[in-house]
Amino acid sequence: GQQLNQSPQSMFIQEGEDVSMNCTSSSIFNTWLWYKQDPGEGPVLLIALYKAGELTSNGRLTAQFGITRKDSFLNISASIPSDVGIYFCAGPLRWGNQFYFGTGTSLTVIP
Amino acid sequence: KAGVTQTPRYLIKTRGQQVTLSCSPISGHRSVSWYQQTPGQGLQFLFEYFSETQRNKGNFPGRFSGRQFSNSRSEMNVSTLELGDSALYLCASSSGSQETQYFGPGTRLLVL
Repeated sequence: GQQLNQSPQSMFIQEGEDVSMNCTSSSIFNTWLWYKQDPGEGPVLLIALYKAGELTSNGRLTAQFGITRKDSFLNISASIPSDVGIYFCAGPLRWGNQFYFGTGTSLTVIP
Repeated sequence: KAGVTQTPRYLIKTRGQQVTLSCSPISGHRSVSWYQQTPGQGLQFLFEYFSETQRNKGNFPGRFSGRQFSNSRSEMNVSTLELGDSALYLCASSSGSQETQYFGPGTRLLVL
């Protein structure tokens, strides 16, 4: 089963606001990935993090790999309507070869 | 490189029937994973294939099976369909188990 706790479950924000969501686990992860999924489509990779402490940006998105290797966060700055969707964190455990996914954060941006 | 492709995109079946879904990974990727996604359960891992061998399996009944061919293309089969099998089925490819997974657009299955 899943071992990633993602929060918040849903967010309703005004256009232009910043967004923050995070993912935590009781296990150590080797890699943290953040995906965005639009309705009826497959998840699209946003950011990949490979080292503890790593801070990576992709346009208005910034994500960090927690130092303990058990957590990660994703920030979206100056949100726009096309940011609407479900955001998932994911990654493989340090030991083993199966990917785990968070339960997702549903983001709604109000124009 | 072309992305992950899945066929068909949409499928309607009736209870008791069987269905086969296909996934073509990104060129050079040898690992293909399958997931079931439903509104209530999120992304549930079905199985992973690497070089034609199933390496991991999720907690699904034996009605769900898969295989991988020598060109890394993979198929997933569901026999004796049930209403609860209605879902978006996603496949993801990667160069290895610990590597980043890239998803296809999914196959939307509706069981009536």
